[in-house]
Amino acid sequence: DTGVSQDPRHKITKRGQNVTFRCDPISEHNRLYWYRQTLGQGPEFLTYFQNEAQLEKSRLLSDRFSAERPKGSFSTLEIQRTEQGDSAMYLCASSLQQGKAFFGQGTRLTVV
Amino acid sequence: AQRVTQPEKLLSVFKGAPVELKCNYSYSGSPELFWYVQYSRQRLQLLLRHISRESIKGFTADLNKGETSFHLKKPFAQEEDSAMYYCALDRGSTLGRLYFGRGTQLTVWP
Repeated sequence: DTGVSQDPRHKITKRGQNVTFRCDPISEHNRLYWYRQTLGQGPEFLTYFQNEAQLEKSRLLSDRFSAERPKGSFSTLEIQRTEQGDSAMYLCASSLQQGKAFFGQGTRLTVV
Repeated sequence: AQRVTQPEKLLSVFKGAPVELKCNYSYSGSPELFWYVQYSRQRLQLLLRHISRESIKGFTADLNKGETSFHLKKPFAQEEDSAMYYCALDRGSTLGRLYFGRGTQLTVWP
């Protein structure tokens, strides 16, 4: 599968723990996006990288959230001191051009 | 501010019937509009974009700037069209972030 891959697919964690998700974009794509999706809603933008530079962060991304794309290839999204409200599907997408984004299958986070 | 509204959370039609999934947007600039689809247990994927003016799987969508709408239409629905459909907007900036509607779950009955 040469599409966007995300790991893990599912994560259950206790409140207060830290979690880290990984996204491997399509290899030639320089743009990488993180979105969050809660039940009954469409994806909501979290942050955007062009190569290794993080160019935009949503207000949804509190100081407990941090994202990196150190070499302009894979990206990680870390959530510190998780809260129950962080339970959601975290989606990664990559693209070469605006709008034509390819999505991964997502990481479903459950905070108990 | 920009907003994408999909008024129908659920839509059911019978096979062979026409289907229209509604999408309205609010944005003062010149946006680019998209439809994304998510079939059961599959990832979100691009169905079509308004600038391409193409028909994918029999679906078409026309951008109506006067009504600020981008409704998705298909004249004869098929069972395999059953899926979640999301309308999305790109403000046309260089960033390419998408603003999604809440989605419409389409069910096509045999």
